[in-house]
Amino acid sequence: AQSVTQPDIHITVSEGASLELRCNYSYGATPYLFWYVQSPGQGLQLLLKYFSGDTLVQGIKGFEAEFKRSQSSFNLRKPSVHWSDAAEYFCAVGDLGAAGNKLTFGGGTRVLVKP
Amino acid sequence: GAVVSQHPSWVICKSGTSVKIECRSLDFQATTMFWYRQFPKQSLMLMATSNEGSKATYEQGVEKDKFLINHASLTLSTLTVTSAHPEDSSFYICSASVRGQGETQYFGPGTRLLVL
Repeated sequence: AQSVTQPDIHITVSEGASLELRCNYSYGATPYLFWYVQSPGQGLQLLLKYFSGDTLVQGIKGFEAEFKRSQSSFNLRKPSVHWSDAAEYFCAVGDLGAAGNKLTFGGGTRVLVKP
Repeated sequence: GAVVSQHPSWVICKSGTSVKIECRSLDFQATTMFWYRQFPKQSLMLMATSNEGSKATYEQGVEKDKFLINHASLTLSTLTVTSAHPEDSSFYICSASVRGQGETQYFGPGTRLLVL
């Protein structure tokens, strides 16, 4: 069965500093990988996704992620965070079956941004 | 594009009553819709997957008679929590995907349910 681990429950970063969120997955085949962001009391917004091809994926809001098959990782990065980036971030792996893409989420990483 | 709405955004009900939550894809036809449950400060847990015109597929441990899912059209799925109890209080989120673009799910804003 597929699984996703986000080792960091909380991360605090200063505004303007760089951010990296870790994600490790377990999946038997080539994974579909996603990063979503959730603001308090809101649904999830897709930041970026990886299906195949270039292992460095660009997303919205200045985020990027790199797929590393050898490390089973899909870490999310942003060079300079803004106060509005404070939110919960979820990494997910997809299992594309007949019923559509079932997602398995990691536990999430809460990002706090210091002024 | 790819906007998903949910209604209501929050609901408070008495124990024993039933509550219906709607999930709509506003600008696309969703061949598959998913229902998730999220407890405070936790991740999303998939409850069920529904394809238009067919019965929902429930995840292990989810009571299908408790959480009734209907996906009657390509733009609407409903989740009915029957005979709700306080332990059903949670944040319910739906998502939708499109055939041919089935790898990406678009999420609704969620519905917060409080059962008194």
